[in-house]
Amino acid sequence: DAGITQSPRYKITETGRQVTLMCHQTWSHSYMFWYRQDLGHGLRLIYYSAAADITDKGEVPDGYVVSRSKTENFPLTLESATRSQTSVYFCASSPGWPTYEQYFGPGTRLTVT
Amino acid sequence: AQSVTQLGSHVSVSEGALVLLRCNYSSSVPPYLFWYVQYPNQGLQLLLKYTTGATLVKGINGFEAEFKKSETSFHLTKPSAHMSDAAEYFCAVITIYSGGGADGLTFGKGTHLIIQP
Repeated sequence: DAGITQSPRYKITETGRQVTLMCHQTWSHSYMFWYRQDLGHGLRLIYYSAAADITDKGEVPDGYVVSRSKTENFPLTLESATRSQTSVYFCASSPGWPTYEQYFGPGTRLTVT
Repeated sequence: AQSVTQLGSHVSVSEGALVLLRCNYSSSVPPYLFWYVQYPNQGLQLLLKYTTGATLVKGINGFEAEFKKSETSFHLTKPSAHMSDAAEYFCAVITIYSGGGADGLTFGKGTHLIIQP
């Protein structure tokens, strides 16, 4: 009944550290997405996945890595965090055809010091 | 490439007045269009969507939007604003490819709706 969840909700890390943000959905949606939200930029697509083991870059993929070994999970890893990656990160899922509407998680607020 | 422009980063209306939030898009193929609402410290909630068919679409909380292909617009309206409508509103477009695949949403920068008592 949880829908789409993200963890952690808040994270503070230091420059250069590896950080993984988790996303889990219970709807068995084929599509999953990662966006970042920054003041003045709105939301921008980082990576997306059309199905398990299929991922593709979005608008701002540099510095991020994703994987999708299971349909329900789509973790986002910052391999070496930088201050410019301080942002709010949203995960979303979508059933795809016919409406392609996306359902968003509550977000993870990440601060890189 | 697709893009979305939302006119007005801030819109202020009086309680009970008409709400009009403007959205123009560009897309090389027939678009699917969405409006989302975001309340403080929360995720995005789908208000309404246009895929195909009827160009006037109704959503939750009394909102509606009209797809106008000739104007490449998808403006959001509500006849009478309520204090609870104060939030950030995002217009978004997605491209559906001929094989049925899709990539992510392209969002406008958002419009902050302020309701004056």
